[in-house]
Amino acid sequence: QSALTQPASVSGSPGQSITISCTGTSSDVGGYNYVSWYQQHPGKAPKLMIYDVTNRPSGVSNRFSGSKSGNTASLTISGLQAEDEADYYCSSYTSSSTLYMIFGGGTKLTVL
Amino acid sequence: QITLKESGPTLVKPTQTLTLTCTFSGFSLSTSGVGVGWIRQPPGKALEWLALIYWDDDKRYSPSLKSRLTITKDTSKNQVVLTMTNMDPVDTATYYCAHRRPSTTHFDYWGQGTLVTVSS
Repeated sequence: QSALTQPASVSGSPGQSITISCTGTSSDVGGYNYVSWYQQHPGKAPKLMIYDVTNRPSGVSNRFSGSKSGNTASLTISGLQAEDEADYYCSSYTSSSTLYMIFGGGTKLTVL
Repeated sequence: QITLKESGPTLVKPTQTLTLTCTFSGFSLSTSGVGVGWIRQPPGKALEWLALIYWDDDKRYSPSLKSRLTITKDTSKNQVVLTMTNMDPVDTATYYCAHRRPSTTHFDYWGQGTLVTVSS
């Protein structure tokens, strides 16, 4: 099963908003509200930023928000800050009987 | 406070079997609905989900690696063990274990990861 499709890179200036897309199929992103987003700084473990498409864990800034339309989920970061520069990965539950979840290829966010 | 930590060899030879241990605290793998998963990340590349074990010993594996993976748990020791047979240089990666809450599909707590290099 192929990974979810994300843009390789996005960029924005401090204070701006950016959106990262994550495209799957009706067997994963489109079929369930079980999309999550992870932030990863260099040399660090991934950190959960969004779960179940739109929910933020306690402690995550409300500048981070998630949405979904059809087979594509999106992560929006508003009021960009320098510390937001990182890699972002989406993941989704999948209905394959043997698989549990799949990740996207990752998106490098650069804050200009 | 939930913490997880991976341990195991940093270097393995091609064809050898890799055994990694995830030692955790702050939760019990005998609690209904809890799961522990393994995810890896080759240098400079994306995350790849490998395996998941549930509190009831139900297991899930990545289809592409299923024949090489075994995941087990030792509830009394708060440990989950992943074995991967027939290691190849392409398996060089940082291996993470992570916690899954009941009735969820995401991983909310991750270990720091352990880098495993496959080389002769």
